[in-house]
Amino acid sequence: DQQVKQNSPSLSVQEGRISILNCDYTNSMFDYFLWYKKYPAEGPTFLISISSIKDKNEDGRFTVFLNKSAKHLSLHIVPSQPGDSAVYFCAASLSGTYKYIFGTGTRLKVLA
Amino acid sequence: ETGVTQTPRHLVMGMTNKKSLKCEQHLGHNAMYWYKQSAKKPLELMFVYSLEERVENNSVPSRFSPECPNSSHLFLHLHTLQPEDSALYLCASSHPDRDSQPLHFGNGTRLTVT
Repeated sequence: DQQVKQNSPSLSVQEGRISILNCDYTNSMFDYFLWYKKYPAEGPTFLISISSIKDKNEDGRFTVFLNKSAKHLSLHIVPSQPGDSAVYFCAASLSGTYKYIFGTGTRLKVLA
Repeated sequence: ETGVTQTPRHLVMGMTNKKSLKCEQHLGHNAMYWYKQSAKKPLELMFVYSLEERVENNSVPSRFSPECPNSSHLFLHLHTLQPEDSALYLCASSHPDRDSQPLHFGNGTRLTVT
């Protein structure tokens, strides 16, 4: 059973608009959440994270929101740029352990 | 030099071959991981080493054999693989002693088993 789910395999957004990528998890023990970006032929690159003690974390154009009661997190990219086109993975973890559970990814395409 | 380096980038091997994947990290981390990425599946954790000791082994077939000679190097020895083992193999490192630390990945080895 998948503990971390990304239900949208793909998303297309116009350049300059907001991209919203969603992620759901099932284990309420997870306390650290991450987003990774992956280009073809490269490994995943860490983008932004959030601890469960917060509900929002912002870094430039990227903001992650966490709704613990709904066990849901989202990544907002605004404004979206063509270079943001990639596969985005969310992950959940128990901090201080070796457990990082990944979703299946969402392919974002930003149209110029 | 990038943080986590994997070699080779691409590997084609027959089912009877023996080969090894190599990973090296320059981040001062003390945990190293092997993940497998197959099409349309989540990244699957295979093995974790912490301070050169294996701490996780997620029911991986014995045809995959990890080795961690020191905290900077990790190998994955392959033998008698099956075509369904074709995938992207990713190495990662972290510092789990510090709370809320991300994994850092290498660029992976694209393995094709013929």
